[in-house]
Amino acid sequence: QKEVEQNSGPLSVPEGAIASLNCTYSDRGSQSFFWYRQYSGKSPELIMSIYSNGDKEDGRFTAQLNKASQYVSLLIRDSQPSDSATYLCAGPNSGGYNKLIFGAGTRLAVHP
Amino acid sequence: DGGITQSPKYLFRKEGQNVTLSCEQNLNHDAMYWYRQDPGQGLRLIYYSQIVNDFQKGDIAEGYSVSREKKESFPLTVTSAQKNPTAFYLCASSISTGDQETQYFGPGTRLLVL
Repeated sequence: QKEVEQNSGPLSVPEGAIASLNCTYSDRGSQSFFWYRQYSGKSPELIMSIYSNGDKEDGRFTAQLNKASQYVSLLIRDSQPSDSATYLCAGPNSGGYNKLIFGAGTRLAVHP
Repeated sequence: DGGITQSPKYLFRKEGQNVTLSCEQNLNHDAMYWYRQDPGQGLRLIYYSQIVNDFQKGDIAEGYSVSREKKESFPLTVTSAQKNPTAFYLCASSISTGDQETQYFGPGTRLLVL
């Protein structure tokens, strides 16, 4: 059973700090990963995708992929209360066309 | 205004009743998906469709059925065989961007059992 694992949190950080969200995966062949943000009661919205080893930056967000260690992370710089949400990590599911497997999500709370 | 729409926002099902959730997209995406989300859990794939008139079972297809008669539409029917249907249902569609397919979600339908 290929899996994507996340710490459920909550991860609590003060406003302005860096929030670090982590995800590990079991399938060494996985190529692409996605981070989604989900506000309470709403649907997931795509924040970042990454498929190469290393870092990918977009504004205050940086995604990091380490295929050797099988982890992917999301850093949020200058965290704001509006960043408070659940962050879902997703990676490729086995043996199928673009099927994704999602982690259970990490709840982030940014306090003023 | 492009996007993915789902209706209704809330749906109530009586015991033994079949209900159908609507999903429409005008993004010209080929692939569409249905997920179920339970509190504190990740999304689980119910069905997916790569092209019109073709669809495949996901990880939890029992008690559900779908059709894909048009590229824009992928309705999900929750049948009476699904004994625990209360959940948040999410429809997604995807487009190929280089080496990867990126999925985008509709606003969701919350199904409750009376």
